[in-house]
Amino acid sequence: EAQVTQNPRYLITVTGKKLTVTCSQNMNHEYMSWYRQDPGLGLRQIYYSMNVEVTDKGDVPEGYKVSRKEKRNFPLILESPSPNQTSLYFCASRADSKNQPQHFGDGTRLSIL
Amino acid sequence: AQRVTQPEKLLSVFKGAPVELKCNYSYSGSPELFWYVQYSRQRLQLLLRHISRESIKGFTADLNKGETSFHLKKPFAQEEDSAMYYCALLSGGYNKLIFGAGTRLAVHP
Repeated sequence: EAQVTQNPRYLITVTGKKLTVTCSQNMNHEYMSWYRQDPGLGLRQIYYSMNVEVTDKGDVPEGYKVSRKEKRNFPLILESPSPNQTSLYFCASRADSKNQPQHFGDGTRLSIL
Repeated sequence: AQRVTQPEKLLSVFKGAPVELKCNYSYSGSPELFWYVQYSRQRLQLLLRHISRESIKGFTADLNKGETSFHLKKPFAQEEDSAMYYCALLSGGYNKLIFGAGTRLAVHP
C-alpha cells in the first residue's frame, strides 16, 4: 500500500530537548516536504526536498532542520524545541512531475512544555 | 504575492442543503489548484484538482481565472461531509503547496 509514515504520532517533551520526527514514503517519490498546521493559519511549509541531498527552506524554517540522505526518508529535527513549536506536523511526498498531488502522512502532534 | 484565501472559517448547513466553500487565489501565471479534505483526526486527503475537472463524492470545483476563484460546491450536503477543507495552490516550480487557512464544514441532521 502506498503510504507516508510518520513517527511518533504524539510526543510531549520539554524545552531544549532535541527531538526527531521521522518520515518515510514507499512510493519512490522525489519530492518530500514538512508542514505545520496551526488553527487559523492552515498548513505552512517548513522545509522541502527535491531529491536526495537537495533540501531548501519553506515559509517557516526557523528552529528546524532536515536531512535527505535516502530517497525514502526525510526526518524533521528540532535541535532545541521551544513552546512555540507546539503544533501538528505533516510530512508529504509527491512525484516530481506536473499535476501530481501530494500524499500526506497521518500527522505528528508535538507538545513542547 | 502568492496567496490562497478561504474567507469562511466555519460553514454550517443542514443535510440536503447546497454547499459552496469559497477559495480565492493570487498568483501570476497559470495556477494549479487543489482541494484537500481532513476528516476528524485523520490525514489530509486530496479531494480534487482543477486539472482533472472531476467530481469526487459529489463535489466539484471550477477554476474561474477572471475572478481568481476555485470554489468547491456540492448540491446536497451529507453528514459525512463534515470535515475541514483546504484549498491549495501549487507554486514555486511545483515545490511549494500554499494552503488557505481552511474552512470547517459542519453538516447537521
